[in-house]
Amino acid sequence: SQTIHQWPATLVQPVGSPLSLECTVEGTSNPNLYWYRQAAGRGLQLLFYSVGIGQISSEVPQNLSASRPQDRQFILSSKKLLLSDSGFYLCAWSGRNTEAFFGQGTRLTVV
Amino acid sequence: DAKTTQPPSMDCAEGRAANLPCNHSTISGNEYVYWYRQIHSQGPQYIIHGLKNNETNEMASLIITEDRKSSTLILPHATLRDTAVYYCIVSTGANNLFFGTGTRLTVIP
Repeated sequence: SQTIHQWPATLVQPVGSPLSLECTVEGTSNPNLYWYRQAAGRGLQLLFYSVGIGQISSEVPQNLSASRPQDRQFILSSKKLLLSDSGFYLCAWSGRNTEAFFGQGTRLTVV
Repeated sequence: DAKTTQPPSMDCAEGRAANLPCNHSTISGNEYVYWYRQIHSQGPQYIIHGLKNNETNEMASLIITEDRKSSTLILPHATLRDTAVYYCIVSTGANNLFFGTGTRLTVIP
């Protein structure tokens, strides 16, 4: 069966520090991969999605970037965090025409 | 922008059916109706999806009106663990899922 792993579960980082969140998927190949962010009390916002290695689409302009160095690995990064980057970050995967399955999320607090 | 309209909150008695409505009057012919739910501080969980026919699985039933402009998610026997935010999404696929603010369902003992 397919599983998705996302870590860390919680993270507290100072303003201006770098960020690296990692997501891996097991049990499937060539998945679509996604990064979402959820601000407190709000819905999920799609940040990035990828249909293959090295292929990244950005949905909103922001202080973050994404990379897909391997088929089942998706990384969310920032060179310098802002206070406004705080939120709940979720990685998800899907097949080509199937529903999306989400990881358990990373709660990032920028202080 | 959200393509769906959902009530912000609903209550349901434990053991009763929970009927969550969703309006999607601008849905296109190739867009599916997806339902997800999110329990506090967890990732969203897929529930069900459909195109135009009613669908049922082990979690819920999805009733889509004939004109496809609205749908209802039915949890046949709500339990306390069904308390969550329920999102109705219309999309051509998983790469275009827009999550609005959903309906906060509270199951009451």
